[in-house]
Amino acid sequence: EAGVAQSPRYKIIEKRQSVAFWCNPISGHATLYWYQQILGQGPKLLIQFQNNGVVDDSQLPKDRFSAERLKGVDSTLKIQPAKLEDSAVYLCASSQGREGELFFGEGSRLTVL
Amino acid sequence: AQSVTQLGSHVSVSEGALVLLRCNYSSSVPPYLFWYVQYPNQGLQLLLKYTSAATLVKGINGFEAEFKKSETSFHLTKPSAHMSDAAEYFCAVSDQRGGGFKTIFGAGTRLFVKA
Repeated sequence: EAGVAQSPRYKIIEKRQSVAFWCNPISGHATLYWYQQILGQGPKLLIQFQNNGVVDDSQLPKDRFSAERLKGVDSTLKIQPAKLEDSAVYLCASSQGREGELFFGEGSRLTVL
Repeated sequence: AQSVTQLGSHVSVSEGALVLLRCNYSSSVPPYLFWYVQYPNQGLQLLLKYTSAATLVKGINGFEAEFKKSETSFHLTKPSAHMSDAAEYFCAVSDQRGGGFKTIFGAGTRLFVKA
């Protein structure tokens, strides 16, 4: 079974530029999550999708971050314009709803200069 | 509201010694509890999970954790550390909301293993 796929693995941009991250969850997983992990901290939930609907985006900085999950499968997270404090690893995870177990991709590391 | 507190951002043990990583949680409903491990430049992998069955949970790589409701704790242990156990460990609490589970992570504990 293929795992959660994310791209790109690494991205370096300058502040005020834009960036997009892509995630393809495990086949059949209805729930998809984007987490932000700043160096030295635990993952922080940005947005949670159930199929193609948003369940929780309370911690998503909506003035600069956006996410979509078209057709309830893969998802894109966009940042525009980026700030220095957005430097982090963006983790995508999916779940098939069994007791909350999450399956993570390898993450996309963003450096904003 | 859910929350997770991991005591100690860094823990150092000698190879062969006991590993103890501490986790306390709060949740308004009976929780599901997890330990995940993260190796450098990788995503998180599930070590073990508590889902209201046995209070002592065994996971991969010889790790286990005990759910203690009275102490709201879910500490992770391993009798004998191995060099390959060096990694970051995250405790997490999850509960079901309308539309799936919401999972909150602790700040993490980095485990160092000395030869």
